[in-house]
Amino acid sequence: AQSVTQPDIHITVSEGASLELRCNYSYGATPYLFWYVQSPGQGLQLLLKYFSGDTLVQGIKGFEAEFKRSQSSFNLRKPSVHWSDAAEYFCAVGALSNYQLIWGAGTKLIIKP
Amino acid sequence: GAVVSQHPSRVICKSGTSVKIECRSLDFQATTMFWYRQFPKQSLMLMATSNEGSKATYEQGVEKDKFLINHASLTLSTLTVTSAHPEDSSFYICSARDLAGGGTQYFGPGTRLLVL
Repeated sequence: AQSVTQPDIHITVSEGASLELRCNYSYGATPYLFWYVQSPGQGLQLLLKYFSGDTLVQGIKGFEAEFKRSQSSFNLRKPSVHWSDAAEYFCAVGALSNYQLIWGAGTKLIIKP
Repeated sequence: GAVVSQHPSRVICKSGTSVKIECRSLDFQATTMFWYRQFPKQSLMLMATSNEGSKATYEQGVEKDKFLINHASLTLSTLTVTSAHPEDSSFYICSARDLAGGGTQYFGPGTRLLVL
């Protein structure tokens, strides 16, 4: 079955600390992987995506993610979080031939001052 | 970057009335748009896939006669919630697929619907 798992419902980190949000997937075809961020009451903004090539991808707002095929993972990282990073983060997987995305349940990021 | 707009951002209506939500891709053409519904503290639930010039494809459990979708042009899709009831109150989000961007979905800011 195709699925995306974000094992952490919420994560709390101190401002300035590093961050890693986990995402594991189960997908039969070559996966195209995405991370989106949603601020309260807002739509989703694309942070970064992986289609092919370098497995470490850089995104906006200082985020990066690494695709590890052997672990079926696409974890999101940021070396130093800012209070404005507090939001909900969603991992999604799809295929170019199939435009529908499969979504993780989301991880809520809370920033401690 | 690709921008998708939604209008209105917030709407309050009486039970039994119909509400139309517009989704526009502002700087790219989208042959495919998607409509999602999001309940509080939950992930997105795909309602339907809107294809320009053809009928929408609805997900299982979504009433097509209640949620009317029209994709009349490459930059505009509309979702009409007909005879709205309080249980239709939700956050509705559209996305548009940018083929030039490898099929990436870009999302609108969402529409908060409250049915009294």
